[in-house]
Amino acid sequence: EPEVTQTPSHQVTQMGQEVILRCVPISNHLYFYWYRQILGQKVEFLVSFYNNEISEKSEIFDDQFSVERPDGSNFTLKIRSTKLEDSAMYFCASSQGSATNEKLFFGSGTQLSVL
Amino acid sequence: GDSVTQMEGPVTLSEEAFLTINCTYTATGYPSLFWYVQYPGEGLQLLLKATKADDKGSNKGFEATYRKETTSFHLEKGSVQVSDSAVYFCALRSNSGGSNYKLTFGKGTLLTVNP
Repeated sequence: EPEVTQTPSHQVTQMGQEVILRCVPISNHLYFYWYRQILGQKVEFLVSFYNNEISEKSEIFDDQFSVERPDGSNFTLKIRSTKLEDSAMYFCASSQGSATNEKLFFGSGTQLSVL
Repeated sequence: GDSVTQMEGPVTLSEEAFLTINCTYTATGYPSLFWYVQYPGEGLQLLLKATKADDKGSNKGFEATYRKETTSFHLEKGSVQVSDSAVYFCALRSNSGGSNYKLTFGKGTLLTVNP
């Protein structure tokens, strides 16, 4: 089965630094997503992206966050100035369509630790 | 807003035991319901889904029935194996309020199956 790949698997950064989390979605998928899970909490939706623009974002996704599809294969999440509370597992996902019953394919995640 | 509540873990069972992981939801509209599984070191994978009331999703011996009257989608398996050890996430995706892009997850339940 095709896979979504995420790099790095673990990222450690200092508070206030910028980080970029990278994802390669499945090649024929059109919809892209970021989710995150803070330790012990629910997996939370951050943002969805389609046709080179954000289609929906959560309250968590404030001005410190941005997403980009810089070329035909990568999908990145940037955090401009990291805070301690940004420490979490970040999951990228992609799907072919946007129907309610659509299957999302997830990557294995990037564990972000902000010190 | 939409929400998912699932059984707190961890759950520890012996091989061949019966498994139930409870999941209830709140949604405005007619959500699709999902169980995702995360094996150690891997991303979230779709285990099964159901798209309307009374639908039963099934895969790899796991089953869950969409119960609209009790707003539940409990996961069951008659005889678990060591290889079923993973974290299980209940999730929904709703077509109401224009938010059909995002999955709403529960916290996840860690299942450990001992030989």
